[in-house]
Amino acid sequence: EAQVTQNPRYLITVTGKKLTVTCSQNMNHEYMSWYRQDPGLGLRQIYYSMNVEVTDKGDVPEGYKVSRKEKRNFPLILESPSPNQTSLYFCASSRGDRAGQPQHFGDGTRLSIL
Amino acid sequence: AQSVTQLGSHVSVSEGALVLLRCNYSSSVPPYLFWYVQYPNQGLQLLLKYTSAATLVKGINGFEAEFKKSETSFHLTKPSAHMSDAAEYFCAVSERGNEKLTFGTGTRLTIIP
Repeated sequence: EAQVTQNPRYLITVTGKKLTVTCSQNMNHEYMSWYRQDPGLGLRQIYYSMNVEVTDKGDVPEGYKVSRKEKRNFPLILESPSPNQTSLYFCASSRGDRAGQPQHFGDGTRLSIL
Repeated sequence: AQSVTQLGSHVSVSEGALVLLRCNYSSSVPPYLFWYVQYPNQGLQLLLKYTSAATLVKGINGFEAEFKKSETSFHLTKPSAHMSDAAEYFCAVSERGNEKLTFGTGTRLTIIP
């Protein structure tokens, strides 16, 4: 089954404690992206990757890091989380052919930073 | 820069009534347009997309949307609402030649029995 898998689904942690949210896709997609969803703001792009070792900032990249060492994986790293990063996070992937192919989304990770 | 406006953060309709969720985009060139649905505790699921073929696009679960270039709109409709349609709906746009998706702020649809 084609899917995007995120882990963990839920995490409560404290300010400053480094965390990683993993994302894996099994569709051999080139493009992967991270979004955060906040009430009244919709989804905003954090970082994206066009292919292995190619990453770039989205609209709200401050406080986040990513890496793309393998095609299927695109982890999101919060080196020093702060309460304003409490949010619902989604990973997504698509073919990357810039021809209007839809993005496939994971089920989300709800992060609470105390 | 692309932007998407969804009018109405909350919409309530009676079961069996018409569903109309509004989406307007700003772009000098017709973009790719998408509607996604989000059920509670789930990710986003594609309802339908417009890429440049027919302006009336049919999607899953009886939804459809019409691309109107003159109005820069891509409103989502369903003739008869069902209780299972209760969810949050997002309109999104991507510029031709670009993978980046820009989302609207979402519309929460409530169905009244």
